[in-house]
Amino acid sequence: TQLLEQSPQFLSIQEGENLTVYCNSSSVFSSLQWYRQEPGEGPVLLVTVVTGGEVKKLKRLTFQFGDARKDSSLHITAAQPGDTGLYLCAGDRKNAGNMLTFGGGTRLMVKP
Amino acid sequence: ETGVTQSPTHLIKTRGQQVTLRCSSQSGHNTVSWYQQALGQGPQFIFQYYREEENGRGNFPPRFSGLQFPNYSSELNVNALELDDSALYLCASSLTLTGTDTQYFGPGTRLTVL
Repeated sequence: TQLLEQSPQFLSIQEGENLTVYCNSSSVFSSLQWYRQEPGEGPVLLVTVVTGGEVKKLKRLTFQFGDARKDSSLHITAAQPGDTGLYLCAGDRKNAGNMLTFGGGTRLMVKP
Repeated sequence: ETGVTQSPTHLIKTRGQQVTLRCSSQSGHNTVSWYQQALGQGPQFIFQYYREEENGRGNFPPRFSGLQFPNYSSELNVNALELDDSALYLCASSLTLTGTDTQYFGPGTRLTVL
């Protein structure tokens, strides 16, 4: 059982569409991170959210940390084929430093 | 600045064998973490080393062991390989072990156990 549940697991959309990926848990995290991983590579950090209710924007990507610091979402506006990849959320629990707990991932495909 | 490197890139072993995977941390980073990523899943934390000492361990059996060297490079050793050990093994280095400190991942070693 994953401590962090991501949904959906797979998403196939057309270029220009919007999408939201969810990361949920019953546990509280000190911070939550979002990564993107491409085939043959390790995950690359996109953003870290620390404060409950925090919203961060990275170009067309908007990240939100839940008020109770148990969940997070990633919203992509006007998706492009270059957004294709595996999106992973990961949290660090209190007193666990940066020993991360990852979600199962959302595999996104954006078709031209 | 050199990124995190891992060797080998791919490895094929048979059940019962032993394997050693290597990781070279990013310059100046004293913390290294190892993760196992099975096909179609997110990474699972194996253990973390900080200044040559094991700092924490995930839910993995003792046949998974590690080392961190004075230059902060690291090894992951797996004894008595099982079929389920087939996975991508990732190492990540960070400047410190603070929760919000960025971890930089290597490209991974793909291990196949036959």
